[in-house]
Amino acid sequence: GQQLNQSPQSMFIQEGEDVSMNCTSSSIFNTWLWYKQDPGEGPVLLIALYKAGELTSNGRLTAQFGITRKDSFLNISASIPSDVGIYFCAGPPHSGGSNYKLTFGKGTLLTVNP
Amino acid sequence: NAGVTQTPKFRVLKTGQSMTLLCAQDMNHEYMYWYRQDPGMGLRLIHYSVGEGTTAKGEVPDGYNVSRLKKQNFLLGLESAAPSQTSVYFCASSYERADNYEQYFGPGTRLTVT
Repeated sequence: GQQLNQSPQSMFIQEGEDVSMNCTSSSIFNTWLWYKQDPGEGPVLLIALYKAGELTSNGRLTAQFGITRKDSFLNISASIPSDVGIYFCAGPPHSGGSNYKLTFGKGTLLTVNP
Repeated sequence: NAGVTQTPKFRVLKTGQSMTLLCAQDMNHEYMYWYRQDPGMGLRLIHYSVGEGTTAKGEVPDGYNVSRLKKQNFLLGLESAAPSQTSVYFCASSYERADNYEQYFGPGTRLTVT
């Protein structure tokens, strides 16, 4: 099946620093979703991207839909301790029929040192 | 709106015991999903439903059964629990729209099988 590769797998940063992570695939995706999972909680949708080249912000978070449709990027500016968690990318496989099922990356674990 | 809720939050079972996990959503979503999350494996789809009275197998369906008797509820059953089913289980739901793949997750059920 199609896979999403996220990098880096983990990050340790100081409070106030900017963060950048990405998600790549060998196949084309028509939608990119970014989720955050706090420790002990379920994933929460942060940003949804639907057009190649699209740049969307949600507070200090900015995500971009890569022009090639095979990648997406998530940036967090001026990180704070509550940004700690696992960030997942996800998207529907680019095939006909069951396009309501998502493929998930394995996540980027972010740790923020106060 | 409570969104997606799951019961119970935690459960410990002995090998061979059975149990049912309940998922409820109040967003009138047509589609519902059950995932399991294991360290290093990401989110894996167990079963899903595209409407009341319909269910289908996902990526890892063995050892699980599901039922969707009401649109707002999706039940996941383990008939004879095995230690390999120790995991965190998440329910999710989404709209039935070709241009919207956003899934909304519950808080999870942490299951330990001894």
